[in-house]
Amino acid sequence: EAGVTQSPTHLIKTRGQQATLRCSPISGHTSVYWYQQALGLGLQFLLWYDEGEERNRGNFPPRFSGRQFPNYSSELNVNALELEDSALYLCASSLVENTEAFFGQGTRLTVV
Amino acid sequence: DAKTTQPPSMDCAEGRAANLPCNHSTISGNEYVYWYRQIHSQGPQYIIHGLKNNETNEMASLIITEDRKSSTLILPHATLRDTAVYYCIVSHNGGATNKLIFGTGTLLAVQP
Repeated sequence: EAGVTQSPTHLIKTRGQQATLRCSPISGHTSVYWYQQALGLGLQFLLWYDEGEERNRGNFPPRFSGRQFPNYSSELNVNALELEDSALYLCASSLVENTEAFFGQGTRLTVV
Repeated sequence: DAKTTQPPSMDCAEGRAANLPCNHSTISGNEYVYWYRQIHSQGPQYIIHGLKNNETNEMASLIITEDRKSSTLILPHATLRDTAVYYCIVSHNGGATNKLIFGTGTLLAVQP
């Protein structure tokens, strides 16, 4: 069974540009979560999507947004990139809330 | 959510048991204790969770004190591949992924 897959693995953008990160959950999982992990810091919860709807978001500005498609895959969009947005972005999926979550390998975003 | 306290780092000899402590003195009655680990630059991996009773699975054992104010994750026979950052998390809602607050964890270094 394929795990959570994220693309691209690495992404380099210039300050002010937009970045789009993609996540494919495990087959059958309807919930997708996004986390940001800046270098040397813990994982910070970004967004939670379930059944195509945004269910919850962490303490991040509106330029962090996303969506979930009918096939439950998800995109994370970061507009007006800032240097501080450089981080590992992790996606996780689960069947429903309150069940074990499986994480992908992440997308390393570098803003220069 | 209750906060946890973990030592920043620990060493363990290969083949020996690794015992990782976690203090969660303000845990409330309906909060679970979850353990995840993150191998360098990879997504976190779920290990085990518990509420009151000790738990064991193919990866590890979780020992929770009777007063639930602390717990210990035990890797019975540590290997080099167990070198990772281990996160102890307490969470309401059965560990709903969007409620997981990852701290800085314990860096376990398994030595040959």
